[in-house]
Amino acid sequence: RKEVEQDPGPFNVPEGATVAFNCTYSNSASQSFFWYRQDCRKEPKLLMSVYSSGNEDGRFTAQLNRASQYISLLIRDSKLSDSATYLCVVNTLNSGYSTLTFGKGTMLLVSP
Amino acid sequence: DVKVTQSSRYLVKRTGEKVFLECVQDMDHENMFWYRQDPGLGLRLIYFSYDVKMKEKGDIPEGYSVSREKKERFSLILESASTNQTSMYLCASSLVRVRSYEQYFGPGTRLTVT
Repeated sequence: RKEVEQDPGPFNVPEGATVAFNCTYSNSASQSFFWYRQDCRKEPKLLMSVYSSGNEDGRFTAQLNRASQYISLLIRDSKLSDSATYLCVVNTLNSGYSTLTFGKGTMLLVSP
Repeated sequence: DVKVTQSSRYLVKRTGEKVFLECVQDMDHENMFWYRQDPGLGLRLIYFSYDVKMKEKGDIPEGYSVSREKKERFSLILESASTNQTSMYLCASSLVRVRSYEQYFGPGTRLTVT
């Protein structure tokens, strides 16, 4: 049973392109959703939380569809520095405590 | 800025050795976590702790134990290291007890067991 599923990629896009990543989750009780970014050989870092109404942070837009249990991340005007692996993350109840379950990540490569 | 530090960036141990991985956070976070990350498998939760002296098993606790004697420190112990425990180990901490908000990660320890 895959709790958080993502397309592993890689997505190869030129600078300036718009790219979208999708993610599905299996636990309908999940309440918190996030996108993390992980650079090669580095630790994951929070990119943005995902809210029910959708939210935007500069060039990044996150959407949540609870009915379909689907999360998306849109990156506009891609930069070389956006090259990284993007992890879809949802909370899960674990022994009565809320923990995070990470997707395996989608790799993005932005080329000049 | 939250800082999570891990005792070693790279570690090489022999099969059967006892291995200690240390993690320290400086922001008074209640919650601390140990993950391992392997190619094709992603991040998997080994153990977590929501309070001093408290520990809970994650998804893959077998072969590991943990210790949380102080709020800022969370140790992962491999009682008898095996080659299948070669991996990147990541420690994380977070503030909120009821809902898991942002987790801050340490830089990771790449452990090789030969």
